[in-house]
Amino acid sequence: AQTVTQSQPEMSVQEAETVTLSCTYDTSESDYYLFWYKQPPSRQMILVIRQEAYKQQNATENRFSVNFQKAAKSFSLKISDSQLGDAAMYFCAYVRGGSEKLVFGKGTKLTVNP
Amino acid sequence: EAGVAQSPRYKIIEKRQSVAFWCNPISGHATLYWYQQILGQGPKLLIQFQNNGVVDDSQLPKDRFSAERLKGVDSTLKIQPAKLEDSAVYLCASSLVRRAGAFFGQGTRLTVV
Repeated sequence: AQTVTQSQPEMSVQEAETVTLSCTYDTSESDYYLFWYKQPPSRQMILVIRQEAYKQQNATENRFSVNFQKAAKSFSLKISDSQLGDAAMYFCAYVRGGSEKLVFGKGTKLTVNP
Repeated sequence: EAGVAQSPRYKIIEKRQSVAFWCNPISGHATLYWYQQILGQGPKLLIQFQNNGVVDDSQLPKDRFSAERLKGVDSTLKIQPAKLEDSAVYLCASSLVRRAGAFFGQGTRLTVV
């Protein structure tokens, strides 16, 4: 079974600084997709960034970027120039090719200090 | 583009009562998911539909939970009878293609007392 592990239950960062959230996954598949979701206190899950396993180039979306290390099965999220509005739970998620089943990690709570 | 709609936002019921949640996915999205999220944890997949067929319901407690997707569009999730441990947020999501990810509704917070 595919698993997603987020080893940092909580992280904090100063406003305007950079923070990296870690995620590892376990799969024997070669075709899959990885995602980072943000869940603020309002609880709606918001898709932040996606990565396709067959692409070597790391995905970026404005201040959000990933470090995708396929051999190490690692998929970390870097948030640059952190803002107060970035404070939320962040979830790493995985879906394999041939299936739509989306599996989540346990999440990392990010606090942004002013 | 309208997002995923869920109702109600909040529900409080007594144990052994029944409750139903409704979800309207994004138009054209064939895949629909129901997740259970207990406070402080990641979402757990309860059931996944592809159009109106069930793809995965391996973690659905079938003795008390049921779900259906009418005509491959709207879906309802029912709990009967509810237990205290069912207190959680129930999230509905839909997806067009897996590479695009899933899009979520605002969820229903269920409290069983």
